[in-house]
Amino acid sequence: DTGVSQDPRHKITKRGQNVTFRCDPISEHNRLYWYRQTLGQGPEFLTYFQNEAQLEKSRLLSDRFSAERPKGSFSTLEIQRTEQGDSAMYLCASSSSGGSNQPQHFGDGTRLSIL
Amino acid sequence: AQSVSQHNHHVILSEAASLELGCNYSYGGTVNLFWYVQYPGQHLQLLLKYFSGDPLVKGIKGFEAEFIKSKFSFNLRKPSVQWSDTAEYFCAVSPLSSNTGKLIFGQGTTLQVKP
Repeated sequence: DTGVSQDPRHKITKRGQNVTFRCDPISEHNRLYWYRQTLGQGPEFLTYFQNEAQLEKSRLLSDRFSAERPKGSFSTLEIQRTEQGDSAMYLCASSSSGGSNQPQHFGDGTRLSIL
Repeated sequence: AQSVSQHNHHVILSEAASLELGCNYSYGGTVNLFWYVQYPGQHLQLLLKYFSGDPLVKGIKGFEAEFIKSKFSFNLRKPSVQWSDTAEYFCAVSPLSSNTGKLIFGQGTTLQVKP
């Protein structure tokens, strides 16, 4: 089962540095989502792509965050000038088209720790 | 604002005990409803989903959930839990109006089953 793949699994960086995460969705899925999960909380929606188009961004996604999906396949999430509050698990999920009733398949996540 | 509330943060049960995890959501429109499970060291997996029709839905591993529209609830049940059910359980809704399929999660319930 080639599920959703995320890289790296863990990232430790100093405050103020830039970080980039990668997500490879299930190959036939055209919908891709990014979520953020902090300790003791459920995942929070960050942004959504349909193919290469970014169609929704949460208010949580400040100007320091940017996401791309240049060819409608893999996606990257970049955080510039990281802050302590950015420490979290960043989850990627994908689903096939067909509306909101298509279940999302999640990756293992990238855990970001800001020193 | 749209929100999902899970009543229990941490549940401890003995094997063979019955389980019910509460979930209520706050949203005036039509939603799709999901329960996801995260076993230790694994990614989020879909347990069951409700879109329409029979409000009692059955999922994997003997889990079921009942949608009660008048109460905005979608409680998860299992008649007899096993040690292998130890995991974190997340209730989630997806408003049809968003058209993106994004999920709004509850804060999660940690279930510990004692052998």
